[in-house]
Amino acid sequence: NAGVTQTPKFQVLKTGQSMTLQCAQDMNHNSMYWYRQDPGMGLRLIYYSASEGTTDKGEVPNGYNVSRLNKREFSLRLESAAPSQTSVYFCASSEGRAANTIYFGEGSWLTVV
Amino acid sequence: GQQVMQIPQYQHVQEGEDFTTYCNSSTTLSNIQWYKQRPGGHPVFLIQLVKSGEVKKQKRLTFQFGEAKKNSSLHITATQTTDVGTYFCAGREIGSGGGADGLTFGKGTHLIIQP
Repeated sequence: NAGVTQTPKFQVLKTGQSMTLQCAQDMNHNSMYWYRQDPGMGLRLIYYSASEGTTDKGEVPNGYNVSRLNKREFSLRLESAAPSQTSVYFCASSEGRAANTIYFGEGSWLTVV
Repeated sequence: GQQVMQIPQYQHVQEGEDFTTYCNSSTTLSNIQWYKQRPGGHPVFLIQLVKSGEVKKQKRLTFQFGEAKKNSSLHITATQTTDVGTYFCAGREIGSGGGADGLTFGKGTHLIIQP
């Protein structure tokens, strides 16, 4: 039972490059999320998808785009990476908007130089 | 918007000592969740508290939800090296719905244990 799987685990980008973080869950969850975690800032929600076919902005959406490809997959795209986007990114999922438990992936460490 | 403050930011304890982290919300919460993140790891759900004044225990961990549903605490008795990590609270504002978009995370308390 893999849970929430995200790739890549580590990535170094140059300023201005683009990349996509991939996330997949095998728990048949309806809702999926992308967070970033920075020292001293806790977890901040970037975008979420309450159900397949819908996406919404979270607390810090600027500079990011997302795609809910199907029920299992939710990707995060950085179109033109900036050093301020250096962070640890976590994908997460939950059964639905009425669910209690949020399941996190193992994280993707992104450095923008 | 809702703010969730967590203190202390860091706590150093000797192994065997007790540890407490506190979480305070600027607004009344419908419920509060606690997560643990090991160094280099990802947050893992520990528990959810829903009722005013609720107290729940998991072995050496005791979780409390305040009577006014605006604060919560996590207490660990007799810490062990396996308790090392960051403990986050996440509060759900009344009327915000059930998904993670309605959760506001505190910045976490880093627990450092000295053997």
